[in-house]
Amino acid sequence: NAGVTQTPKFRVLKTGQSMTLLCAQDMNHEYMYWYRQDPGMGLRLIHYSVGEGTTAKGEVPDGYNVSRLKKQNFLLGLESAAPSQTSVYFCASIHATGLDSPLHFGNGTRLTVT
Amino acid sequence: LAKTTQPISMDSYEGQEVNITCSHNNIATNDYITWYQQFPSQGPRFIIQGYKTKVTNEVASLFIPADRKSSTLSLPRVSLSDTAVYYCLVGDMWGGKLIFGQGTELSVKP
Repeated sequence: NAGVTQTPKFRVLKTGQSMTLLCAQDMNHEYMYWYRQDPGMGLRLIHYSVGEGTTAKGEVPDGYNVSRLKKQNFLLGLESAAPSQTSVYFCASIHATGLDSPLHFGNGTRLTVT
Repeated sequence: LAKTTQPISMDSYEGQEVNITCSHNNIATNDYITWYQQFPSQGPRFIIQGYKTKVTNEVASLFIPADRKSSTLSLPRVSLSDTAVYYCLVGDMWGGKLIFGQGTELSVKP
């Protein structure tokens, strides 16, 4: 049971390039989330999904797109990367059954946009 | 969505008890309270969760008053390894939009 796995772990992009971050969970969780964390700051919600085929906007969705084609995977796409998107990206999942169901986080993807 | 407010930072010494309070004045009936711990370069990890009254596990206690407008995470006898950022998250027990606050940076000194 690997939990939440994020790939890649590190990436450097040039301004204007595109990329996709992959999040995979093997816990059969219904809900999945993408957060970004800038240096010395808290976590900000980008997008989230409450089930396969559904996505919703979080606090800072601009410049990102997401897809949840399979229950276990949640993809985060950057169509045209900007230096302001340099950050650490965390994926998380949760089993939507009420109490005793905390978020499980991946180890993050460190993205630098030059 | 219930907004949370925590102290930005706290200092403590090894062996002391640390209490971190989170305010969430507009908490909803279906909301539960969860605390997470984050070390540098790692994703947050679950500490404790509760809905009302007091919850205790092997690492912490969570105190929630009757009006549920605040909660207090209590860490008994902290050590240097407890130096981390602690987040209070208030969210609907059925999931949905989960927004984190700024977190409290706890520094434990020898």
